[in-house]
Amino acid sequence: DADVTQTPRNRITKTGKRIMLECSQTKGHDRMYWYRQDPGLGLRLIYYSFDVKDINKGEISDGYSVSRQAQAKFSLSLESAIPNQTALYFCATQGQETQYFGPGTRLLVL
Amino acid sequence: QKEVEQDPGPLSVPEGAIVSLNCTYSNSAFQYFMWYRQYSRKGPELLMYTYSSGNKEDGRFTAQVDKSSKYISLFIRDSQPSDSATYLCAMSLTSGTYKYIFGTGTRLKVLA
Repeated sequence: DADVTQTPRNRITKTGKRIMLECSQTKGHDRMYWYRQDPGLGLRLIYYSFDVKDINKGEISDGYSVSRQAQAKFSLSLESAIPNQTALYFCATQGQETQYFGPGTRLLVL
Repeated sequence: QKEVEQDPGPLSVPEGAIVSLNCTYSNSAFQYFMWYRQYSRKGPELLMYTYSSGNKEDGRFTAQVDKSSKYISLFIRDSQPSDSATYLCAMSLTSGTYKYIFGTGTRLKVLA
């Protein structure tokens, strides 16, 4: 089984809808992250969490919110989706030497 | 100016070629340098990391850091079609920090 899983893998939604992307990990790491990846812009940090009670905004948090339900679970919500939130979203956990990424969620906002 | 610059490619090479992938950066405080490989429809996975300057070798892969020039490289020897992927450089002040700065990635195609 994969160490970092994300659901759904693909999602199409309409402008104004609320959606949630979920992430689970079995690596036992305290730190978890949400990134988005756009062509030409690379990976950009949306939110990060050092533990269940410690959540921080990244460089592009506007329009997003997160919830850390447990050490193993970190969810990203788009309260009212807009087309420029169309992107590839990755969850990651932090180990000693690196960050470990999930397989990604491809989101299309129409 | 971006903190990390990386040529997006695509870079197409014949099987068996030596591949050179590069990134430049502007923050001289970076100490920890990483290369990730990302296959299509997958998340990035760590390929190699190095601290500070110097070379590190792992099988067909060599990572090189030149801090004086703010330039890092990844060399792939005897490239294989299975090496076809996007390669992302990343860097940070330390290994344990939350803040990694990623390059935009170079797409590599190795032709059989």
